[in-house]
Amino acid sequence: GNSVTQMEGPVTLSEEAFLTINCTYTATGYPSLFWYVQYPGEGLQLLLKATKADDKGSNKGFEATYRKETTSFHLEKGSVQVSDSAVYFCALSDFRISGGYQKVTFGTGTKLQVIP
Amino acid sequence: GAVVSQHPSRVICKSGTSVKIECRSLDFQATTMFWYRQFPKQSLMLMATSNEGSKATYEQGVEKDKFLINHASLTLSTLTVTSAHPEDSSFYICSALTSTEAFFGQGTRLTVV
Repeated sequence: GNSVTQMEGPVTLSEEAFLTINCTYTATGYPSLFWYVQYPGEGLQLLLKATKADDKGSNKGFEATYRKETTSFHLEKGSVQVSDSAVYFCALSDFRISGGYQKVTFGTGTKLQVIP
Repeated sequence: GAVVSQHPSRVICKSGTSVKIECRSLDFQATTMFWYRQFPKQSLMLMATSNEGSKATYEQGVEKDKFLINHASLTLSTLTVTSAHPEDSSFYICSALTSTEAFFGQGTRLTVV
């Protein structure tokens, strides 16, 4: 079955530091990969996604590249801000209609705290 | 983009009562919706898959008689926590898929006192 392994947190960084959150996956087929962000007390918001190998998803200064050879989708940001403090979830899903079961598999989440 | 609306965002109920949570897809039809539960400092646990016009599919260990799911239309799924107890206090999130992406509701913080 599908699985997502995400680095444990919490991660504490100073403002303007470089961020990397590692994510690796195991899947049958060719899933789409996602990063979701959850701010305190809120639901999940899609941060970025990639649907095939070598695709790079990007949004709000965050980037992640779909690496099929290493089955990874690491999240990076060159300069974090205090407002980036949140929990980040790596996820995958196979949206093939023929599969009949479009389940999203999540990693355990990584809490990021950015201090001024 | 597609939006999923979940209501209420917060609810406090007395032990033994039932609480209904609604999940609506606002600008697309969702034949399938998902209900997740999130424990403090943990990831999302899939509780069940809600199928329009048919019975929900529950994950192993989830009590179907306690967590009633109804998916009566292509835009609405409801989760009813019956005879709630303090251990049911949690953050519940619904999700609906398009062909390329999963969209999530804002979540419902349930507190049972």
